[in-house]
Amino acid sequence: SQKIEQNSEALNIQEGKTATLTCNYTNYSPAYLQWYRQDPGRGPVFLLLIRENEKEKRKERLKVTFDTTLKQSLFHITASQPADSATYLCALSPGRTGGGNKLTFGTGTQLKVEL
Amino acid sequence: SQTIHQWPATLVQPVGSPLSLECTVEGTSNPNLYWYRQAAGRGLQLLFYSVGIGQISSEVPQNLSASRPQDRQFILSSKKLLLSDSGFYLCACNKGGNYGYTFGSGTRLTVV
Repeated sequence: SQKIEQNSEALNIQEGKTATLTCNYTNYSPAYLQWYRQDPGRGPVFLLLIRENEKEKRKERLKVTFDTTLKQSLFHITASQPADSATYLCALSPGRTGGGNKLTFGTGTQLKVEL
Repeated sequence: SQTIHQWPATLVQPVGSPLSLECTVEGTSNPNLYWYRQAAGRGLQLLFYSVGIGQISSEVPQNLSASRPQDRQFILSSKKLLLSDSGFYLCACNKGGNYGYTFGSGTRLTVV
C-alpha cells in the first residue's frame, strides 16, 4: 500500500538557521507533490506544489526538492523565524483529472523555531 | 481565490445521535470537493470526494455518508454517531492536479 513517511519527531532549530524537513514515499508514482503548513486547531494551508518532472521549486524563503528516483522530497525554510513554528505536511497526488485528484497526506513534522 | 466556509467550529454529540456538517465554497465553480478526518496526532484521512453535483466517492467504509446537493455545497452526515467518529473534520476544494487544496477551518467533533 502507499506510504508517506515524515519524521514524527519534532524538529527544533534556532532562529535564523535553515530548517530541512524530509518526506519519503513508497509504492507511489505521484504526478505532484505538495507541502502544507498546519497550525494547531486550524486547517492546512497550501505552500508549494512541485511536479514530477521538476527538481526544485522556490517561493520566498521556501525551497522544495523532488527526487523521483530516491522517492523523496526535501522542504527547506531559510532564515527561519519563530512564526514559522507549525506542523508541515507532505502530500502526494496522482494528478489524473478523472480520478478526483485525491491527495494522500503524510502525518507531518512539527517544527519549532526558538529565539 | 477560493474560500471555504465550514461550520460549526466545535460540536459535542452523544453516541447514537445524528450528524450533519456543512461546507460551502466561494470564489470558484465546479470544484473537486473533499472531506478529511484528522484524529489526534494522526494524519489526514480522506473520507469522501466529489467531482460534481450528486457524484460521491467513498474512500473508507464507515458510519458516515456525504452528499453534494449543489455545486458548491458539500455535506457530511451520519444517522447514528459512534465514539470512534470523534475527530477533526476538514472540508477542502481543488480545481485540478496543478493546484493546491484550499481547506476550511475545520470542525472539532467529540462524541460522548
